[in-house]
Amino acid sequence: DTAVSQTPKYLVTQMGNDKSIKCEQNLGHDTMYWYKQDSKKFLKIMFSYNNKELIINETVPNRFSPKSPDKAHLNLHINSLELGDSAVYFCASSQEGRQQFFGPGTRLTVL
Amino acid sequence: AQSVTQLGSHVSVSEGALVLLRCNYSSSVPPYLFWYVQYPNQGLQLLLKYTSAATLVKGINGFEAEFKKSETSFHLTKPSAHMSDAAEYFCAVSEGQGGKLIFGQGTELSVKP
Repeated sequence: DTAVSQTPKYLVTQMGNDKSIKCEQNLGHDTMYWYKQDSKKFLKIMFSYNNKELIINETVPNRFSPKSPDKAHLNLHINSLELGDSAVYFCASSQEGRQQFFGPGTRLTVL
Repeated sequence: AQSVTQLGSHVSVSEGALVLLRCNYSSSVPPYLFWYVQYPNQGLQLLLKYTSAATLVKGINGFEAEFKKSETSFHLTKPSAHMSDAAEYFCAVSEGQGGKLIFGQGTELSVKP
């Protein structure tokens, strides 16, 4: 049983395209996150949602828009993809201020 | 603002040798500290966490870390390295267990036969 799942695992696309990455957690957690890991493996928070409400929005281009249809899902939509968006994107979830559980990651390659 | 510095982007040890991965943090509030491990092409797995209880924290796979406030450090150790320990290790800090994680740069651990 996968606790935090992401689809797709790999995503290869052209510059200028719009793409979405989906995240689902079956842990019953109330908070979900998106992190970006760049080519040097540096990890940085992008967004956080608590009970479908945005609570953390770091300095991320407006081309990135998270959407939380319900507590179990947090999707990441990216418009007008750029070369610099190539990275691994990790979804995570936590409950009531406890530890975060991470998904397997989505490797995005923009050509 | 919180920050984390991991000393050494790459550490190499022999199988059976002591593993020591260094982490120093900066925080204006009592920190929550974490060590995560990332195996190739996988997500992050929590090794251990410090949440203001015991300063010596034991984690999974034989790892432990000691919180030293005076040194603002949270170094990760394991007495005897196994080949399976080869991975990327990340130290992270947050203002609460569920707050956003601020990660260090990561340390790649290699284990030689």
